[in-house]
Amino acid sequence: GEDVEQSLFLSVREGDSSVINCTYTDSSSTYLYWYKQEPGAGLQLLTYIFSNMDMKQDQRLTVLLNKKDKHLSLRIADTQTGDSAIYFCAESVDGGSQGNLIFGKGTKLSVKP
Amino acid sequence: DVKVTQSSRYLVKRTGEKVFLECVQDMDHENMFWYRQDPGLGLRLIYFSYDVKMKEKGDIPEGYSVSREKKERFSLILESASTNQTSMYLCASSFTGTDNEQFFGPGTRLTVL
Repeated sequence: GEDVEQSLFLSVREGDSSVINCTYTDSSSTYLYWYKQEPGAGLQLLTYIFSNMDMKQDQRLTVLLNKKDKHLSLRIADTQTGDSAIYFCAESVDGGSQGNLIFGKGTKLSVKP
Repeated sequence: DVKVTQSSRYLVKRTGEKVFLECVQDMDHENMFWYRQDPGLGLRLIYFSYDVKMKEKGDIPEGYSVSREKKERFSLILESASTNQTSMYLCASSFTGTDNEQFFGPGTRLTVL
């Protein structure tokens, strides 16, 4: 079945770049997503990329998609302490027909001052 | 501003009690979802609904049921709560046929004693 894998932890220093990686299995995924979860809160969509794109940039965030390797990454430039959170990678399934997403287990980003 | 609300942020129940978790969205979304989130396991889909009175099992439906009598409201029911159902429960909603972005509620942290 479909699966989304990502490392569980990442620690960086304030001001450095963070790169969170994700691999997925469903080659028919239409969209791939990055969600952010701050402590005690629900998930919030950070950004998403359509499967026919290979890069998307939005201010400090850069998403890279390698469809051949089914690899997705999220780069956060100039990482701040407020970026400390859990980041979830997700892929759409069933061609996106019913809005189902498969989530990875989440990467906990810790930003040290 | 899209809003998904959940009836309680924190809930403490006893083993064997019947528990109702309510979720309401105000964006006329067709799809609604219930997940549970546990450390190291990420988000796991319990049930989802793509229309009023429609429901589909997710990955871990055992011990749960759902109700969707109105489009804006999706209820998760624990018929007889058990300690292994202690978890964070997240509700989400989305439109069909767009980018499938799921909007999440703040979560309900349920403890079963």
